[in-house]
Order: sequence, then structure tokens, then C-alpha cells
Amino acid sequence: AQKVTQAQTEISVVEKEDVTLDCVYETRDTTYYLFWYKQPPSGELVFLIRRNSFDEQNEISGRYSWNFQKSTSSFNFTITASQVVDSAVYFCALSEARGNKLVFGAGTILRVKS
Amino acid sequence: DAGVIQSPRHEVTEMGQEVTLRCKPISGHDYLFWYRQTMMRGLELLIYFNNNVPIDDSGMPEDRFSAKMPNASFSTLKIQPSEPRDSAVYFCASRKSGGTGELFFGEGSRLTVL
Repeated sequence: AQKVTQAQTEISVVEKEDVTLDCVYETRDTTYYLFWYKQPPSGELVFLIRRNSFDEQNEISGRYSWNFQKSTSSFNFTITASQVVDSAVYFCALSEARGNKLVFGAGTILRVKS
Repeated sequence: DAGVIQSPRHEVTEMGQEVTLRCKPISGHDYLFWYRQTMMRGLELLIYFNNNVPIDDSGMPEDRFSAKMPNASFSTLKIQPSEPRDSAVYFCASRKSGGTGELFFGEGSRLTVL
């Protein structure tokens, strides 16, 4: 069975600090996809990234970066120089090869204080 | 382009009443998903459709829940009769085959059953 664990329930940082959100996953599939979604206070879910299991290259997009390590089954997300607007719930998710049945982690609440 | 459109945004009803949630996916998207979000269980996939055909409804909690997709631009999720434990935010999402695999979520329908 597939499982995603986000052990950090809530993180509070001060603006401009760097913060890393942890994600550990379990799957027996050799082909799978990993995702990160953001849920701001308004409630919608916003796609951030998808990574397939064969691509372990780290990804950087502006202040966001992702570290995928198959050896530790982790897909961690780092926000550099955090801003108040980054305050949200962040979800890590895992899907099977066809990318349809997403299994979400419990989410990490990030609070960025000014 | 318009995103995924859900209605109603908020619904308050009494136990035993029928509830119908509606979703209009993004034009051209051939996959449609219904998710439920609760504090206790997080985000759960209820059912998904491909080309208007239900593919996997294993997440539907019980027979009180039903979903239909009569055409490519409309889907409903019905609960009859509703119970207080059905109170949750119900998200509809859609995606297109291939591409980035990104799921586009609607803003959700917050259901409260008294």
C-alpha cells in the first residue's frame, strides 16, 4: 500500500528564514510520481511540482527547491527566505504510475511571521 | 481559461436531507476526481472518471454516496441521506491525459450536516 508521512504537523518561522518541509513515502511500485501542493487560507489546492521516480535531480523554482532521494524515500521541500505569503498548509502526495490515485500526506502547517 | 468550478461553495443541511454537489471541469480535461477533506482523515480520493466513465470508486464511503458524469463538462456527487459525519470540504479536480500530470482543483464545497 502507498503511504505518505509528513511528520511535521506545524512549523513556525520568522520571515526571511529558510524552512524545510519533510516528506517520506512508502510504495512497492518502481514507477510512481511525487507531488507537492499548497493550500493557502482561502482553501484551494495549488499544484507546486510533480516528480517521477526516475528523475532524482533536485529542482529549483525561485525560492522553492525540492530534494528527492530514493535511497531514503524522501521528497523534501525547502523555501528559502520565507515570506508571510508562504503561510499555508503544504501537502506531499504520491501516485501510482498512471498518476491518478493520489495519496496525500496529512499536511504541514507553515506559519511565517513578520 | 476558467478553472474547475464547484457549486455550492457552502452548504448547510439537516441530517437525512439529500445533498448534491456539482462540478464543471476545465474544458478539454478528460479526467475528473472527487476528493473529500476532513480534519480526521485528511484528503481522500472518493472516485474518479476518465472520459465520463467511472474508473475507480473504491474510496466512496458507502451506498449513500453516488457520483455521475453525464457529459464531459459536468459531474455531480450526491449524498442521500446525509449524516453529520459527512461534514467536510469536497473538492473536485480535473486533469488532461499526459502533460505534467497536474491536478487542477476547484475551490471546494464546504458541507455541514447538522
